[in-house]
Amino acid sequence: QVQLQESGPGLVKPSETLSLACTVSGGSISSYYWGWVRQPPGKGLEWIGYIYYTGSTHYNPSLKRRGTISLDTSKNQFSLKLTSVTAADTAVYYCARADGYQMPYDYWGQGTLVTVSS
Amino acid sequence: DIVMTQSPDSLAVSLGERATINCKSSQSVLDNSNNNNYLAWYQQKPGQPPKLLIYWASTRESGVPDRFSGSGSGTDFTLTISNLQAEDVAVYYCHQFYTLPRTFGQGTKVEIK
Repeated sequence: QVQLQESGPGLVKPSETLSLACTVSGGSISSYYWGWVRQPPGKGLEWIGYIYYTGSTHYNPSLKRRGTISLDTSKNQFSLKLTSVTAADTAVYYCARADGYQMPYDYWGQGTLVTVSS
Repeated sequence: DIVMTQSPDSLAVSLGERATINCKSSQSVLDNSNNNNYLAWYQQKPGQPPKLLIYWASTRESGVPDRFSGSGSGTDFTLTISNLQAEDVAVYYCHQFYTLPRTFGQGTKVEIK
């Protein structure tokens, strides 16, 4: 059974960089699309972007080019960096897996709350 | 971006009754070359990640009870929960995976009347 687990700081200062990792267990990181989705407290879901195991990426334009997703196949892990954060980036961040380019996310991490505050 | 609009925002249904949630996309999510609708439904309970219920608009994910069903095509879709159970209390989201960026509906909260 595939499992995903997010990790990273729960508190980030405004203007700094948010860094999260997602560790995949129970399966290989190869041959799938790996994504990040966030959910501000009490609000809906926002897609951040994805990385394919080949390294190709795509991001939500709403991030205004602040996001970077990378892959570390040796650790079976992928990561999210979001620069110049503001309070609007406070959210639960989920990592998730899709079984193809045009497939829904079928496996999700439990999510990690990141608060942006000084 | 494809905007996904759900209705209603919330609804209260008696146990054993039917709950119906609608989702409308601002553009068609139907691929005419393969007749697939790139539309999924998720269930999210408090403190939990979304759980995939239905994809291709009407295909139930493995292990999902058959009281959950999806229908629709093009721009208009429906999630029906027949015989509502107490454990179905949750927020439900529609999601298009047809184009980038991927987008979600705003969510519909289902409660027990």
